[in-house]
Amino acid sequence: DTGVSQDPRHKITKRGQNVTFRCDPISEHNRLYWYRQTLGQGPEFLTYFQNEAQLEKSRLLSDRFSAERPKGSFSTLEIQRTEQGDSAMYLCASSLGFGVAKTQYFGPGTRLLVL
Amino acid sequence: AQTVTQSQPEMSVQEAETVTLSCTYDTSESDYYLFWYKQPPSRQMILVIRQEAYKQQNATENRFSVNFQKAAKSFSLKISDSQLGDAAMYFCAPGGAGNQFYFGTGTSLTVIP
Repeated sequence: DTGVSQDPRHKITKRGQNVTFRCDPISEHNRLYWYRQTLGQGPEFLTYFQNEAQLEKSRLLSDRFSAERPKGSFSTLEIQRTEQGDSAMYLCASSLGFGVAKTQYFGPGTRLLVL
Repeated sequence: AQTVTQSQPEMSVQEAETVTLSCTYDTSESDYYLFWYKQPPSRQMILVIRQEAYKQQNATENRFSVNFQKAAKSFSLKISDSQLGDAAMYFCAPGGAGNQFYFGTGTSLTVIP
């Protein structure tokens, strides 16, 4: 049973560039989450998928952010026109089940640095 | 939205001793789980322990146990026989029908040999 994987692990980009991150959840997990974590803080929720449907988005997710989960498997998070404030660790998590939030299993994260 | 308060930004414990990390939260949910996650310096979040809010019995997982006080909305984590590998950031996270977790700001635990 492989865990949640994320690619790339590190990304350095220049302000104004677009970046895309990928998350592969644990197989058969129907839920997938994206979080953002800055230094010294806990993860902050960005968005959530149940299968291929994006069911919830945080107000943190500006118009420059978009997430997809085609076919309910892997997910991508794209940030357009990156800003220095986007520098953070982007965490993906997956879980199995319906109803009340169950245990989420986290990936190693993608660390983004915007210069 | 839920709020989560971890009032101890840093804690230290002698190896083999016991330490308790505190967490309080505010929620309007009636049915939810609560979680403690550990984030070592490598930064991958790992589940430590889970408590179901409708269960009165406190969860235990080897050296880790919780003290869950539902009415007080308190969910503390006790680590017994602390080991060097326990050094990490610990996050408390109530889950709920909203399907997202709300994480506290974390407690950085240092284990002194």
